[in-house]
Amino acid sequence: EDQVTQSPEALRLQEGESSSLNCSYTVSGLRGLFWYRQDPGKGPEFLFTLYSAGEEKEKERLKATLTKKESFLHITAPKPEDSATYLCAVQGGSQGNLIFGKGTKLSVKP
Amino acid sequence: GAVVSQHPSRVICKSGTSVKIECRSLDFQATTMFWYRQFPKQSLMLMATSNEGSKATYEQGVEKDKFLINHASLTLSTLTVTSAHPEDSSFYICSARQGAGETQYFGPGTRLLVL
Repeated sequence: EDQVTQSPEALRLQEGESSSLNCSYTVSGLRGLFWYRQDPGKGPEFLFTLYSAGEEKEKERLKATLTKKESFLHITAPKPEDSATYLCAVQGGSQGNLIFGKGTKLSVKP
Repeated sequence: GAVVSQHPSRVICKSGTSVKIECRSLDFQATTMFWYRQFPKQSLMLMATSNEGSKATYEQGVEKDKFLINHASLTLSTLTVTSAHPEDSSFYICSARQGAGETQYFGPGTRLLVL
């Protein structure tokens, strides 16, 4: 069964304190791994798509990496505006539907 | 990135009434649209997948007669919650993608409160 597990559930950082969020997955035939950011009361905002192990993508303070079993979202020198819930999802199999993890709620204090 | 809109953003209705939510892809043609619901502090749960011009595919446990989905064009899908009850109160989010393997882009969500 396809499954996505994100850790930690919640993460509190001081402004400027770099850290990483983990997304472990099991899927038959990975088509893509997706990272989204979700602010309270809003829909998920697309961040990255990773397709194969070894791939990396960057956007401002965020960097996403992918291995055959997990993905990391590295946050460098975070700012309070980076506070949000970060969702990881995989797309695989014949259906191609996204399977979401439960998310990591990030809080960055000034 | 691609833009997906939803209307209304918030709706309050009485128990027993029906509510329609619209989802539009504004700058691309969406061959597939998805409907999710999200309860507080939980992740998104897929309700159904719809392809333009064909019947929606519902996930296990989702009543197709209660949650009517229409994907009449490549830019519009609607979700109608029929005979809504308080337990249907939730955050409903749609998403759209241009083709298989493409990125899904999400709408801003619709908060439904059934009194």
